[in-house]
Amino acid sequence: QSVLTQPPSASGTPGQRVTISCSGSISNIGSNTVNWYQQLPGTAPKLLIYSSIQRPSGVPDRFSGSKSGTSASLVISGLQSEDEADYYCAAWDDSLNAWVFGGGTKLTVL
Amino acid sequence: EVQLVESGGGLVQPGRSLRLSCAASGFTFEDHAMHWVRQAPGRGLEWVSGISWNSDNIGYADSVKGRFTISRDNTKKSLYLQMNSLRAEDTALYYCAKDTGSGYSYGFNRFDYWGQGTLVTVSS
Repeated sequence: QSVLTQPPSASGTPGQRVTISCSGSISNIGSNTVNWYQQLPGTAPKLLIYSSIQRPSGVPDRFSGSKSGTSASLVISGLQSEDEADYYCAAWDDSLNAWVFGGGTKLTVL
Repeated sequence: EVQLVESGGGLVQPGRSLRLSCAASGFTFEDHAMHWVRQAPGRGLEWVSGISWNSDNIGYADSVKGRFTISRDNTKKSLYLQMNSLRAEDTALYYCAKDTGSGYSYGFNRFDYWGQGTLVTVSS
């Protein structure tokens, strides 16, 4: 019952393109930017995309983000085995006065 | 190099208290808002609390409001979380996270560095 809705799982084969969606409302994604975090197994989350479309230095350009209305997407192009991780979207919610996260999407590289 | 090192976790009985600490280094601590984010075993991330650079603005998730208190000591470059009236559902790995901005509630900011977390287990 997360405020932001993500599919619980996604998968792809090496080289494929995978899209992970994040659905919210006017009070969060509709009013603020979206950040994406990657959590590799057994490690702390790492900032992957910020301000909906920006990549921190060091993040490969295979990762890209977009936002439209109250939804956002993370696209991973040229999927690699090391991309197998959990991915979380996050945004500030103006109504809740809180940061809200999606429930996370577990990405499996087949 | 930015480092955030959490400590203070452990096993505690329901209803008791615990104080978490986060020692920061590698950046100008007093310029940045800070946050606590938790992750229950096998579950997703949940924002717990945030504090502005000068402690003037503080926020909490509804799930911990009235029980948890966030604070910071800029002279010691440290962030704290006082957790009272602990419940089984507070069992989680608690992460300290650095904000890119000075305020904790700016929607255009993000959490750019995270610690490795400290585990809190609430059980009798």
